[in-house]
Amino acid sequence: NAGVTQTPKFRILKIGQSMTLQCTQDMNHNYMYWYRQDPGMGLKLIYYSVGAGITDKGEVPNGYNVSRSTTEDFPLRLELAAPSQTSVYFCASSEDRGRRSAEAFFGQGTRLTVV
Amino acid sequence: AQKVTQAQTEISVVEKEDVTLDCVYETRDTTYYLFWYKQPPSGELVFLIRRNSFDEQNEISGRYSWNFQKSTSSFNFTITASQVVDSAVYFCALSDAYNTDKLIFGTGTRLQVFP
Repeated sequence: NAGVTQTPKFRILKIGQSMTLQCTQDMNHNYMYWYRQDPGMGLKLIYYSVGAGITDKGEVPNGYNVSRSTTEDFPLRLELAAPSQTSVYFCASSEDRGRRSAEAFFGQGTRLTVV
Repeated sequence: AQKVTQAQTEISVVEKEDVTLDCVYETRDTTYYLFWYKQPPSGELVFLIRRNSFDEQNEISGRYSWNFQKSTSSFNFTITASQVVDSAVYFCALSDAYNTDKLIFGTGTRLQVFP
C-alpha cells in the first residue's frame, strides 16, 4: 500500500522561484492537509481540503496556494519563494468519519531550502 | 483557542528505564480527540494512538501506555523498559470533532534512549 506519497523529497530553491510540491493518496480519503514543520516546532497547518473542489486556509497560508481537482491529489504551490519558507513540508490525509476524528496518515515529507 | 503544550523539550534515558512524556491541552470544546505521533530519525510521522474526550480509560499497547485525565487536561504517554529504537521525537496533537480533523500539534519531545 502506497498511502500518501509526496514528491520531491528534497529541493533547493532560489529566492523568487516557484515550485509545486506534489501529494497523492490512494486511500480514497476525503480530507487532505498540508503542514509545515520548522526546527524545534510542531507542525503547523498551511491549507486543508475536505473534498475535491474544496480548499481552505489553515494557520499559516501566506505565500502558498493549493488546488484539489481530484480526491487523490492535493498539490501545494509556492509562489515567489522566500527564506522563511525553508521548512519540512508534510502532506496528510484522513478518512471522513463525521464527528469522530480519524487519525491522519502522513507522507514522508519534503525538505525545502530557499537560498 | 486550542493549544497543546509539551513542556519537555528533550529527555535522555538509559535503555530499560521507564519514561513518561507529558502533554497538556487546552480546548473549549466538549468533544475532541487527542493523538500521539512518533517521528523517528528517518523523518516520517507514525500514528500511535487516538483517544476521544469521552473515553478516560487508560490504554496499554505492549510497552506503551497512555494516561488521559480530563480533570487536569493531560494525556501523558509512558514507555516501559525503553529501547534504543524508541529514540524519536514524539508529538501530542488535538483535534476537535466539528472542524474537519485539523490537528493542533505540540512542539514535540525528543527522546534519546542510550544503550
